[in-house]
Amino acid sequence: AQTVTQSQPEMSVQEAETVTLSCTYDTSENNYYLFWYKQPPSRQMILVIRQEAYKQQNATENRFSVNFQKAAKSFSLKISDSQLGDTAMYFCAFMKHAGGAGGTSYGKLTFGQGTILTVHP
Amino acid sequence: NAGVTQTPKFRILKIGQSMTLQCTQDMNHNYMYWYRQDPGMGLKLIYYSVGAGITDKGEVPNGYNVSRSTTEDFPLRLELAAPSQTSVYFCASSYGGRVNYGYTFGSGTRLTVV
Repeated sequence: AQTVTQSQPEMSVQEAETVTLSCTYDTSENNYYLFWYKQPPSRQMILVIRQEAYKQQNATENRFSVNFQKAAKSFSLKISDSQLGDTAMYFCAFMKHAGGAGGTSYGKLTFGQGTILTVHP
Repeated sequence: NAGVTQTPKFRILKIGQSMTLQCTQDMNHNYMYWYRQDPGMGLKLIYYSVGAGITDKGEVPNGYNVSRSTTEDFPLRLELAAPSQTSVYFCASSYGGRVNYGYTFGSGTRLTVV
């Protein structure tokens, strides 16, 4: 079974600054996908960024980028030029590849505990 | 395009009562999921379905039942509600062939059992 750990329950950052949220995971799989989801106070789950484990290049989406270290099983999220609208809980999540060991995963996600990020003006 | 619609948004239930959380999607997605989010915690998978007539248990299925009679609908049934089922419930959906690009989530149902 996979586990996902977010060791920072809360983080804060000043507007326009950069912040990094940490995530580590444990798996015996070689092919998998990693995600960061944002949950603002509205409760809606919003996909921020995804990473394919077989790609060495780190994913980037506008102000959001990841530092994916496969050997270390680490998947951190960097938010640049933080904005007040980035205030939310952020979840790291793991998905086995469809043809992973033990059969298909059917897209099941394993989530971390979440990190509450507050952006201060 | 409504996406994934969950009803109700809020509900207070007494211990021992039953209820059904509704979930419907209009994107013709074949994969659907139910997760629960306990306070300060991540989401845990309750049940999932890969198509009409096919359902399977997730990590925390006890106390719940599901059915999938149509592609669009995936209701979650709580029988004999218990305080431990106080949580926020999320329904989500995806195309099976594109599930590794992530899900579309509903806006959640906050359930309190007293």
